[in-house]
Amino acid sequence: DIQMTQSPSSVSASVGDRVTITCRASQGITNCLAWYQQKPGKAPKLLMYAASTLQSGVPSRFSGSGSGTEFTLTITSLQPEDFASYFCQQTNSFPWTFGQGTKVEFK
Amino acid sequence: VQLVESGGGVVQPGGSLRLSCATSGFTFSTYGIHWVRQGPGKGLVWVSRMKSDGSGTIYADSVKGRFTISRDNAKNTVYLQMNSLRAEDTAVYYCTRVRYSGSSGYFDNWGQGTLVTVSS
Repeated sequence: DIQMTQSPSSVSASVGDRVTITCRASQGITNCLAWYQQKPGKAPKLLMYAASTLQSGVPSRFSGSGSGTEFTLTITSLQPEDFASYFCQQTNSFPWTFGQGTKVEFK
Repeated sequence: VQLVESGGGVVQPGGSLRLSCATSGFTFSTYGIHWVRQGPGKGLVWVSRMKSDGSGTIYADSVKGRFTISRDNAKNTVYLQMNSLRAEDTAVYYCTRVRYSGSSGYFDNWGQGTLVTVSS
């Protein structure tokens, strides 16, 4: 199975900050990577797919990059509604696996 | 687009449950559906997949031989039959619709989840 490792596990930030989350795959997955945001008690919401394509309706302050084994999700100018958990997911090969998550908290 | 799970509840170890995922708002017969679960306070774990035509079922090793995914295209519904349940199966179960950008898949719509608790 492909292991997905996210860092950091949590980050404390303020409104207006730039936040970068990294996701590393244990083997190459080309661009088969998606990012999701999840708020407590809610289902995950798709933010990004194919590593760098913004899902329709997602604000442009979210961006994704990377290919192969290293990927990043960047939030420029963090907004109050962005405080949540973020998960990466590889869809290169089954079983599709998720990172352990990164919690973005108020500083 | 809507996906609505039902069928969760409390069950004893060794027991069975059948989850349903009722969908609407899209042409169900042209989309694959997956199940993903999330244990209490834990991360997301992929469970199973069925393609749009009912073929290509795949399971996570942790549920293989115990869970069975199926679909009824006439009812726009996917099912997850869960047998021989264990405490570690306790989780919120989500059904999701899959789409592809080239070879890169992603879950663009999720249900609200249904809680399964396995406890004596």
